[in-house]
Parts: sequence; C-alpha cells; structure tokens
Amino acid sequence: GAGVSQSPSNKVTEKGKDVELRCDPISGHTALYWYRQSLGQGLEFLIYFQGNSAPDKSGLPSDRFSAERTGGSVSTLTIQRTQQEDSAVYLCASSLTGGLPNTGELFFGEGSRLTVL
Amino acid sequence: GQQLNQSPQSMFIQEGEDVSMNCTSSSIFNTWLWYKQDPGEGPVLLIALYKAGELTSNGRLTAQFGITRKDSFLNISASIPSDVGIYFCAGQLWYGGATNKLIFGTGTLLAVQP
Repeated sequence: GAGVSQSPSNKVTEKGKDVELRCDPISGHTALYWYRQSLGQGLEFLIYFQGNSAPDKSGLPSDRFSAERTGGSVSTLTIQRTQQEDSAVYLCASSLTGGLPNTGELFFGEGSRLTVL
Repeated sequence: GQQLNQSPQSMFIQEGEDVSMNCTSSSIFNTWLWYKQDPGEGPVLLIALYKAGELTSNGRLTAQFGITRKDSFLNISASIPSDVGIYFCAGQLWYGGATNKLIFGTGTLLAVQP
C-alpha cells in the first residue's frame, strides 16, 4: 500500500535479547519519526530524522536504544539487551516537509507491539 | 520523555453530549494539532492550527490555538459512538523551511455510550 509500513506487527522476546523494528515511510517523505506508546500512555517521542540532517535523538530513553535511516528511506529502531519496561507499541510516522505551507501532518504506521518476557 | 499535559485523562459520556478537552505546555509552539487514535491503529490528524488565537472547525470538531501559544482545546459537539478513541494534542515548533519534531500530549480516552 501507499501508507507507512511497520514490521513486525508483533514481537515477543526474552529479557536481554536484542530486537530490531523496521519502518518503511511513505515514498517521498523526508521526515521520519519514532514514538513509543506504553499501555494507557501517550506518545513518547524517541527520535526524528529530517532529510540528510543529523537526527534528533533527544527522546531515546537510554543508550540501549538506537535508530538508523538508510538512504533517506527505511528506518530501523534497535533495542539492545531488552528489559521488561521496554514493552510497548513502537509507532513510526513520516511527513512531507520542506517549505511552506507545512501542515505538520504525520502519517502513522500501525505500530510494532513489543512484549519483553 | 517529552509530553504535553492533556486533560481530562478519560471521559465517559452519553451519545449526543458535547465534549471538551485541553492541552497545556510550558513551551510555546507555532503549530498545534489534534489527532485521534482508533484501537490497533496509528493516530490520524483531525485539525491543525497555525496561528495564535486561531479557531478552526472541522464538522463537529472545533479547536483553538491559545493566545499564549502554550495551550489548545478541542471541542466535539453532539458526540456519536464512532467518536470513541484516544485523542492526542501535539505541538510543533518549526523555523525556516524545515519542521521540527512533534511533541504529543498524554491523551484523552473518550467513551461514548449509545
């Protein structure tokens, strides 16, 4: 489809294992965001990529979290040595940016639900 | 993590009632947005506000950008069952030709009883 695609949709892992979550943004969108949504919680900003600029990593909760965006398109969020508190839905979003007007509209994927046992 | 303060946390109302929710921030933004999230899906944009004091409507939805640029509210009139979901405010501070990240509120869970 033409929307933001995330995989896997569900991931169950054991504490201490590493996980990778993938995001395919909408073609042509230069901005890509990762958010975390814990059960009953709001959307917690993690990291933001804008074109070729250095990413804004200010929301990453610890050095176990990292993200890359290759070729300005696909992004991978990696969580090393997972902990139970990492259990959440990880949402990826993309937007078309640059110049005015800018609607600020983010298009979200359906998320990757991570469960750490 | 960075989040905006949103209230109320949840609302349980009867079909036909009006709903009001708001969002506050310690920082200013030059764009305020309201999103809705249905179960199992990502949030979808409802209304965007770009100017302090702006009042914008989209069908039964009305939102305002606070004059201080630190708050916004969303009203839903004559609620219907399909209004059920989680509503998020979001603030964005952009400059030049590029946008900055969106910071989201803590969410308001809306339940509508037919």
